[in-house]
Amino acid sequence: AQSVTQLGSHVSVSEGALVLLRCNYSSSVPPYLFWYVQYPNQGLQLLLKYTTGATLVKGINGFEAEFKKSETSFHLTKPSAHMSDAAEYFCAVSFTGGFKTIFGAGTRLFVKA
Amino acid sequence: DAGVIQSPRHEVTEMGQEVTLRCKPISGHNSLFWYRQTMMRGLELLIYFNNNVPIDDSGMPEDRFSAKMPNASFSTLKIQPSEPRDSAVYFCASSLAASDYGYTFGSGTRLTVV
Repeated sequence: AQSVTQLGSHVSVSEGALVLLRCNYSSSVPPYLFWYVQYPNQGLQLLLKYTTGATLVKGINGFEAEFKKSETSFHLTKPSAHMSDAAEYFCAVSFTGGFKTIFGAGTRLFVKA
Repeated sequence: DAGVIQSPRHEVTEMGQEVTLRCKPISGHNSLFWYRQTMMRGLELLIYFNNNVPIDDSGMPEDRFSAKMPNASFSTLKIQPSEPRDSAVYFCASSLAASDYGYTFGSGTRLTVV
């Protein structure tokens, strides 16, 4: 069965520090992988996605993620956190021919001044 | 593009009343999804449509919930009768049917049942 696991429901970093949000998936077929961000009182917004090709993908607001097939991971990173990055982040996976996207439980990112 | 439009943004109703949530997907998108988000359960898929046809409604919690998509530009989620445990934020999202496309979410409807 396909699934998504986000390690850590809460992550706290200092402003200017590295952001690392972890995501692992389980799949028997090649996945499509996504990260979404949700700011307070808003809907989810697509941050970046991996479909095929280059395994390092760049998204909006300086975020990037790397697809590592051997580790079944798709961790989200940003070199330097900003206060405006405080939000909830969702990892998600879908598959060729599938209609549904499976979302992880979410990781809330706190940024300390 | 105005994005996915949901109405109302907030709804407060009394237990037992009927509630109708509305969604206008992005023009050209042929898949539409209704989600519910709560602190306890996170993001739950309720139902999704492809080309206006319901494909999977296994996430609809009870018979009190129903959803329709009469045309490509409009969908409704109805709760009748409403109960306090239905209080949540309800999101509509649309996409192209291709599974690598990603979703565009609306801003949600915050429902409070008192």
